[in-house]
Amino acid sequence: DAKTTQPPSMDCAEGRAANLPCNHSTISGNEYVYWYRQIHSQGPQYIIHGLKNNETNEMASLIITEDRKSSTLILPHATLRDTAVYYCIVRVAPVRNQGGKLIFGQGTELSVKP
Amino acid sequence: GAVVSQHPSWVICKSGTSVKIECRSLDFQATTMFWYRQFPKQSLMLMATSNEGSKATYEQGVEKDKFLINHASLTLSTLTVTSAHPEDSSFYICSASTTGGNTIYFGEGSWLTVV
Repeated sequence: DAKTTQPPSMDCAEGRAANLPCNHSTISGNEYVYWYRQIHSQGPQYIIHGLKNNETNEMASLIITEDRKSSTLILPHATLRDTAVYYCIVRVAPVRNQGGKLIFGQGTELSVKP
Repeated sequence: GAVVSQHPSWVICKSGTSVKIECRSLDFQATTMFWYRQFPKQSLMLMATSNEGSKATYEQGVEKDKFLINHASLTLSTLTVTSAHPEDSSFYICSASTTGGNTIYFGEGSWLTVV
């Protein structure tokens, strides 16, 4: 599985957009980009995933560069409850119950401040 | 999103005993389940992958005889920590996905303290 690189920490003002970058320069053509977040002492929460097109859902937007070597997770209006560790992960799509595991890196600790 | 539930949320056991943690997918059939361990201020470490009806595949360095994983049904996987020792104290998290599923959902985690 390709490795990802994220800044260890970021701050964001409440109400502003939080833009979390991720580098995955060795990503393969069949690997998706996934984002999860983990609030202290809880299981990770799924946010969004994509292959090559930009994606948006009720939680966030995912912008993937054309060469797919990096991506940005955007939380449009950050709140205090968005304070968490955000993990960017590349994952091979599972085939017949094989593969598809998520390997976590160190993530970015996002602090949303009033 | 889909719901994955773990039980117990926290457990304290004596050194040398075994403890079982359950992971259930409540509203979908989970053909694949994953077990992770997380120490304080560290990231999640994948321990093993289990497919329903098959033996689990363990990651390098994880002792399969110590961490017994059973995935007997499409909604339940169990992790048994055998002969637990204080260094096994950790946050154990399971996750689950459907066949070819694009999304993996995580349980709430289980805190294990071995005294």
